[in-house]
Amino acid sequence: EVQLVESGGGVVRPGGSLRLSCVVSGFILDDFGMSWVRQVPGKGLEWVSGINWSGVRTAYADSVKGRFTISRDNAKNSLYLQLNSLRAEDTALYYCARGLPTLYPDFPYYAMDVWGQGTTVTVSS
Amino acid sequence: EIVLTQSPGTLSLSPGERATLSCRASQSVADNFLAWYHQKPGQAPRLLIYGASSRPTAVPDRFSGRGSGTDFTLTISSLEPEDFAVYYCQQYGSAPTTFGQGTKVEI
Repeated sequence: EVQLVESGGGVVRPGGSLRLSCVVSGFILDDFGMSWVRQVPGKGLEWVSGINWSGVRTAYADSVKGRFTISRDNAKNSLYLQLNSLRAEDTALYYCARGLPTLYPDFPYYAMDVWGQGTTVTVSS
Repeated sequence: EIVLTQSPGTLSLSPGERATLSCRASQSVADNFLAWYHQKPGQAPRLLIYGASSRPTAVPDRFSGRGSGTDFTLTISSLEPEDFAVYYCQQYGSAPTTFGQGTKVEI
């Protein structure tokens, strides 16, 4: 069964840091680009970051650029998101999602065909 | 960045009826890289359509997508009870990928 399981969320003070992890199973991570998407409860979906299959190409939303870092370890079947300099507006449920391959393997934007259940990040003093 | 505008904001229909949802882009979507998802309360989004009109294997054929350029449509031919949810479109042809604000399909 194809599965994504996120962890690492929690409550942190403004300016603090967290590292989110997403462990995948049921497929070969090397074959897929991956993304992080967040959602404030009751609100819409916001794309946060994407990474291509090799990890060479990454992309970030302007709202997190310079503060968040996406990475992957294909040997460990894992995707990561390092969150630094957290702000109250970063409070959300963070999903990792698998990207559908396209003709452009170095373009880190995807339709997302498998999603985890999310991990909650709360930034509050 | 490309702004996606979904309409209507809310669609009130009955089971068995046909639903038509619209997604309009502020610029042409490259390669028709337009996806549709639905999301039920407390659940992660589910991919329904990619490439504007392609359907993943497990998605029922009552869901269909069409369109190109800046205008895209998701049609649900006959609503089932489990289809009442929020629907999002997403373009992934231009940087950065963006989502629409969502259409709620309610009973």
